[in-house]
Amino acid sequence: DVQMTQSPSSLSASVGDRVIITCRASQDIVTYLNWYQLKPGKAPKLIIFAASNLQSGVPSRFSGGGSGTDFTLIINNLQPDDFATYCCQQSYNSPWTFGQGARVEV
Amino acid sequence: QITLKESGPVLVKPTQTLTLTCSFSGFSLNTDGMGVAWFRQPPGKALEWLTLIYWDDDKRYRPSLKSRLTVTKDISKSQVVLTMTNMDPVDTATYYCARRLSHVIGGITISVFDYWGQGTLVSVSS
Repeated sequence: DVQMTQSPSSLSASVGDRVIITCRASQDIVTYLNWYQLKPGKAPKLIIFAASNLQSGVPSRFSGGGSGTDFTLIINNLQPDDFATYCCQQSYNSPWTFGQGARVEV
Repeated sequence: QITLKESGPVLVKPTQTLTLTCSFSGFSLNTDGMGVAWFRQPPGKALEWLTLIYWDDDKRYRPSLKSRLTVTKDISKSQVVLTMTNMDPVDTATYYCARRLSHVIGGITISVFDYWGQGTLVSVSS
C-alpha cells in the first residue's frame, strides 16, 4: 500500500494567515493526489484533485502543488470557515490511502 | 443537487454482521464511469477506503478486509449496500459513502470522490 504522511499533524493559525500543509507519498504517485476538508459531523469536501486542480465551487484561496512524492496544500488569507482538518489521498493505485490529517485550529 | 446519506445501526455486537445503506440522489449509478465507494474513520485515526462499486457492477475491495466485505447496488432505489461480517470492536468508526468520478487531467485519469455523505457512527460493543 502507498503510505501517505502529512505534516504538520496540527497547527495554530489566525484569520488572514497563509497556511501550508505538506503530504508525502511512500512512492512516486505522479499527480494522483487529492485533498479533502473534514469537519466533525459534516460531509468531507473535495478541495483539490490531481494535485493542483481546484474543485468547482472551492474558493481560489486554496491551491495545491507538487508531483512525484511531495505535495502541498496552501490556504491563503485563512477564513473562519477554513478551520478544519485537511487530508491528502492518493488515487495512484488501490487500495486508495489517506494521510492522517492536518488539523488547522485557532 | 447531489446528496448521499448513510443509514444503518449505531450499535452492533461483536461477531454480528453490519449492513449499511447509502441512499443517493442527483446522479445515476448506471452512468458510464460512475461509482460509489465506502470509507471509514476510526476515532482519532485516518480515513480508510473499504470498497468501490462501479456502474458496470465491477467491484473493488480493500485486500485486508476483502473476506468480510460485500457491496451491492440497487439502481432502481439509488442505493448501495455495504455488508461487513464478523464485526469487532476495532471496527468502531464513522462510515461514509461517496461518489466516485474519473477526471482526465494532463494525460492522466484520476479517481476522485467528489460528494460524500455526512457519515454514520457505528460502535461495536457487547
